[in-house]
Amino acid sequence: AQSVTQLDSHVSVSEGTPVLLRCNYSSSYSPSLFWYVQHPNKGLQLLLKYTSAATLVKGINGFEAEFKKSETSFHLTKPSAHMSDAAEYFCVVSDRGSGGYNKLIFGAGTRLAVHP
Amino acid sequence: DGGITQSPKYLFRKEGQNVTLSCEQNLNHDAMYWYRQDPGQGLRLIYYSQIVNDFQKGDIAEGYSVSREKKESFPLTVTSAQKNPTAFYLCASSTQGRRISYNEQFFGPGTRLTVL
Repeated sequence: AQSVTQLDSHVSVSEGTPVLLRCNYSSSYSPSLFWYVQHPNKGLQLLLKYTSAATLVKGINGFEAEFKKSETSFHLTKPSAHMSDAAEYFCVVSDRGSGGYNKLIFGAGTRLAVHP
Repeated sequence: DGGITQSPKYLFRKEGQNVTLSCEQNLNHDAMYWYRQDPGQGLRLIYYSQIVNDFQKGDIAEGYSVSREKKESFPLTVTSAQKNPTAFYLCASSTQGRRISYNEQFFGPGTRLTVL
């Protein structure tokens, strides 16, 4: 069965410093992986996705993630944090559910705080 | 302007009442989903529908019901049988492309349900 683990429940950075949000996955074959962001009391917005093309994936708002099969990781990074990046981030693995549907398996989330 | 709308944004329910949460999409997506989000947890799937007039239980369907009479609409009813309904509810939709696991899901803004 596929699963995803977000290694940090909270990350705190200063504005202008790099961001690293860590995600490990478990999969018996090459997975599809996503990062979503959720601002307080809002829905989820897709940041980026990996679907077996380039291992370095660029997303919106300056975020990128690198798929490393040998480490079963899909960490999210950004060179310079902005105050507006403060939010909850979810690492997600996608699979074909038993009913043939698009099944998403969510990590528990990482709350990113950005300080002035 | 395509997207997913959910209403109401906030909903209060008394013990023993059924309530219905609305979800509408104009993205022409075949598949729709309902998730529940509790603090500090990832999203859990309640029900999904891959096509009009068909829907399936997800991981936590007990105490919930749905209908899919139109492609655009997928309302969720939280019944009195749901013992702990206070949560944030998110609706999503996606295409049903050939490579099912590649398809990202698009999320609505959510409904926060509180039991009084």
